[in-house]
Amino acid sequence: GESVGLHLPTLSVQEGDNSIINCAYSNSASDYFIWYKQESGKGPQFIIDIRSNMDKRQGQRVTVLLNKTVKHLSLQIAATQPGDSAVYFCAERLFQGGATNKLIFGTGTLLAVQP
Amino acid sequence: DGGITQSPKYLFRKEGQNVTLSCEQNLNHDAMYWYRQDPGQGLRLIYYSQIVNDFQKGDIAEGYSVSREKKESFPLTVTSAQKNPTAFYLCASSIHLSGLAVNEQFFGPGTRLTVL
Repeated sequence: GESVGLHLPTLSVQEGDNSIINCAYSNSASDYFIWYKQESGKGPQFIIDIRSNMDKRQGQRVTVLLNKTVKHLSLQIAATQPGDSAVYFCAERLFQGGATNKLIFGTGTLLAVQP
Repeated sequence: DGGITQSPKYLFRKEGQNVTLSCEQNLNHDAMYWYRQDPGQGLRLIYYSQIVNDFQKGDIAEGYSVSREKKESFPLTVTSAQKNPTAFYLCASSIHLSGLAVNEQFFGPGTRLTVL
């Protein structure tokens, strides 16, 4: 079946550098995308979302870019801090019409911030 | 404080026993979900519910059961029919499930179930 995947399972960066986490999605009918952060032993935490009618959205220190032509999603974290160390998931909403709109999750990328 | 609570945080079960995981939310959300998370895999949907007294199977419903008698509560029972139940279980909720409106899912802290 169609699913969300990630290019890099592990990303190691130096504190203060910018981080870029990538995600490829395969379903052209997906109209909404979310990035979640999950710290060890905890539930995922919402970071930022973007609709398919946008190509960029910015939050506090984070930016999500959407390229629908190549079905690619990225999360940019500026001035990465040790507290950013976690697993990052992307998720897509497959709009199926009617009553069901479920999220499809990628496997996650581990971001390791080196002091 | 508004949020989603799951209990217990850790749960141990003997083979052949049923066990129920609790999920409560005070966000006034209509939709609730149960996911299973295994190492190296994405979240997989077990069951979801759009409204009280209604729920649908997700992608891996076999060996699980749910109920939605109250808007705030969506307990998950892991039955003895689930052959590989050891995993991290996550409950989530969102304002709505259906329609064009988009809304993120808020997750609880999770329950780690281990079968002995």
